[in-house]
Amino acid sequence: GAVVSQHPSRVICKSGTSVKIECRSLDFQATTMFWYRQFPKKSLMLMATSNEGSKATYEQGVEKDKFLINHASLTLSTLTVTSAHPEDSSFYICSAVPLGWTGQRTSGRSGSYEQYFGPGTRLTVT
Amino acid sequence: QKEVEQNSGPLSVPEGAIASLNCTYSDRGSQSFFWYRQYSGKSPELIMSIYSNGDKEDGRFTAQLNKASQYVSLLIRDSQPSDSATYLCAVIAPGTASKLTFGTGTRLQVTL
Repeated sequence: GAVVSQHPSRVICKSGTSVKIECRSLDFQATTMFWYRQFPKKSLMLMATSNEGSKATYEQGVEKDKFLINHASLTLSTLTVTSAHPEDSSFYICSAVPLGWTGQRTSGRSGSYEQYFGPGTRLTVT
Repeated sequence: QKEVEQNSGPLSVPEGAIASLNCTYSDRGSQSFFWYRQYSGKSPELIMSIYSNGDKEDGRFTAQLNKASQYVSLLIRDSQPSDSATYLCAVIAPGTASKLTFGTGTRLQVTL
């Protein structure tokens, strides 16, 4: 259980074009999904929190007009990198929190804070 | 002071030994703690979660939490070469709406 998929796994695009990355929770519903970026030999950097049915919350320094996030359903969030540049080349990873998490710690999986990560998308901008 | 601190390593242990990975955090009010394993070029995989002081065991893995010392650790018994990876400590601080704050990770090498 708790499987998250991402598509595509790898993408190469030309500078100036846009790229859409999909994140799906396959066997659970998720009201909250997160988008991270990871550069080589660095830790994960949270870019934004994606909430179903509402606008995403972006971390400081992340351009919301450049990284468009849409959380259209309880199982799908998309990240669109607009007007991509070589410096946007990175490993983009999403994660999801199973529905039922209330923000209060309880025993058992349904009330936990556990985030499950997708396999990641490696973006190369040429 | 970084919010979540880990020794970057590499930590080298022989096969069959116990690997001990440590993590400290700065926000005393933190309630939720996680260990993730990340192989090179892959995304993080949840290994353990721990919420209460004390030990939590799952197979070869034991997570230990000491909130008074703001310290969380991961022990891996009978280390195997396949355990070689980067181990990320992550914490949810209060008032952050479930956002994980990651340490920089400790690279573990299990040698034959």
